Amino acid sequence: NAGVMQNPRHLVRRRGQEARLRCSPVKGHSHVYWYRQLPEEGLKFMVYLQKENIIDESGMPKERFSAEFPKEGPSILRIQQVVRGDSAAYFCASSRGQGVLLSIPSDEQFFGPGTRLTVL
Amino acid sequence: DQQVKQNSPSLSVQEGRISILNCDYTNSMFDYFLWYKKYPAEGPTFLISISSIKDKNEDGRFTVFLNKSAKHLSLHIVPSQPGDSAVYFCAASAFNNDMRFGAGTRLTVKP
Repeated sequence: NAGVMQNPRHLVRRRGQEARLRCSPVKGHSHVYWYRQLPEEGLKFMVYLQKENIIDESGMPKERFSAEFPKEGPSILRIQQVVRGDSAAYFCASSRGQGVLLSIPSDEQFFGPGTRLTVL
Repeated sequence: DQQVKQNSPSLSVQEGRISILNCDYTNSMFDYFLWYKKYPAEGPTFLISISSIKDKNEDGRFTVFLNKSAKHLSLHIVPSQPGDSAVYFCAASAFNNDMRFGAGTRLTVKP
């Protein structure tokens, strides 16, 4: 009964390279969320995806960042042309998700262990 | 936009005493509130939650209180134990599952 899996756990990139972070949600979960934790800061929402759809990307930087959650396979957070300021811990979470009804509260999210990105 | 705020970055408490962690929010559409606990180098783990239809939820040593009129919630841990030392994140979500986190409060429980 595996939880959320993220790989790699640690990723080192030089400025200008691409970083790809992978997230496999809990089996049966169809909702994935990505968060970033910068040093000395809290978790910041980036993007919320369901299978093949981006539901909310209001927390994503407008350039260089993209995310996908294909029908098959893990969710991918992609950062192109990384800069030093991208160095952070990136957490993925998944949930069963509920219908979009006001009367039904959201359910909890299960977090992965995170990927620590270091940009040299 | 900081929709969820934890104004105390750190809290230090003696073992056996009560720990009270506070959280304020601004978005009246939030209807579900959660507390997560995070140890270094690990992902956050779910601790306790409360729906907006309640004002209190208790689970063992952990109790969450919700004051909707003040848009304020708090987490009480009693008695506090050294193993409770961690960073605690308050989170809030609306019906669309879009969750927002506070900046976290680092709790240190001294033996």
